This record gives sequence, C-alpha cells and structure tokens, in this order.
Amino acid sequence: KQEVTQIPAALSVPEGENLVLNCSFTDSAIYNLQWFRQDPGKGLTSLLLIQSSQREQTSGRLNASLDKSSGRSTLYIAASQPGDSATYLCAVPPYSGAGSYQLTFGKGTKLSVIP
Amino acid sequence: DAGVTQSPTHLIKTRGQQVTLRCSPKSGHDTVSWYQQALGQGPQFIFQYYEEEERQRGNFPDRFSGHQFPNYSSELNVNALLLGDSALYLCASSLAGGGAFFGQGTRLTVV
Repeated sequence: KQEVTQIPAALSVPEGENLVLNCSFTDSAIYNLQWFRQDPGKGLTSLLLIQSSQREQTSGRLNASLDKSSGRSTLYIAASQPGDSATYLCAVPPYSGAGSYQLTFGKGTKLSVIP
Repeated sequence: DAGVTQSPTHLIKTRGQQVTLRCSPKSGHDTVSWYQQALGQGPQFIFQYYEEEERQRGNFPDRFSGHQFPNYSSELNVNALLLGDSALYLCASSLAGGGAFFGQGTRLTVV
C-alpha cells in the first residue's frame, strides 16, 4: 500500500526567502507525481506534474524534482511572497497501463509567508 | 474552459438523510474521481468512473455510490448520513496519462 509523507507539516518564513518542501513515498512504481496548492476550505489547484520518466519540472518561481529510486520529491519555491501562503500537497498514482488514477495524498505542508 | 465545476458549494444535512453531489469535468476529460477530505488531512480516494462504470474504489462503505453520465458528468450519492461523513468532497477529472484537475469542492456538514 502506497504511503505518502510530507515534511514539515507546517513552515513559517519571512517574505523573500527561498524554501523547500519535501514529499516521500514508499512505492516507487508510480505513474507520475503531482504537486497541488490548497487555500483554506477550497479545492486543489494543480501546480506541477512530473512524469515518472522526468527528473524535474519548472513553472515560474516553482521547481519540482523527482527521484523515483529514493522515493522522494521536492518542491522549491523561490523568492516567497505572502500570496504563496497555503497548504501544499503532493500526490502519486500507481503505475498502470490502463491509466487508472487513484491518487494517494500526503497530509500536506502548511506554508505561511510573513510580510 | 470552466474547468471542473461542483455543486452545491455548501450543504447541511441531518444524520440519516441522503445527499447527492454533482460534478462536471474539465472539457475533454473522460474520467472522474471523487475524494473525501477531512479537516487537516489529505484527500482520500472514494471511487473513479470511466465510460459510465466504476473502475476503481477506495476503502469506503456501500453507502457511498456514484454515477457517470454519457456527457462524463458525475454524481456522488451518500445514504444514511453519519456525523463522520462531514467533510469537503472533491471531484477530479483527468485524461489517461495526464494530471488531475480538481473542482472547488462541496462542504458537507451532517448535524
């Protein structure tokens, strides 16, 4: 059974700092890995999708890396802003040629960026 | 493209009642999945629909059922509501090989 762990559970940083969020998973047989952002009481916004054959993906100030062999992914946020304050979740689906899509989520990292 | 839309946004029900939640997938997406998210937890997979059939199911009782229509929209039904069913219910749509896109969720409160 896949288990996803996110460390730290909460993080508070001053505006402008670079930061790293961590995600680890127990089963390396994954189809891809996705990072999401969730604002309080809201749905999930997809940030980055890394296919299992890729090592990293970038979007603006965000960069996500994937190391399948060690079961780890990191989300790097450059020059953090107060608007980045949210909970960040990582999720993985099992590898399946049929394209089934049961995502297993971590509990998330709650980020607070202090102005 | 309106993305994934869910209705209603909030709902209050009494224990023992039944509830139906609705989801319209992102344009072009043929697969719909439902998740339950308790406060402070990550979403938990309920089930997935593809071609109008339940393709996968998580560890949820039979009180949770669903349906997918020919236009790929979907419903989640929960019977005999319990207080513990209070949660944010999320719908996600996807295409094989692509990422999942989530709606804004339905906040269900059972009293």
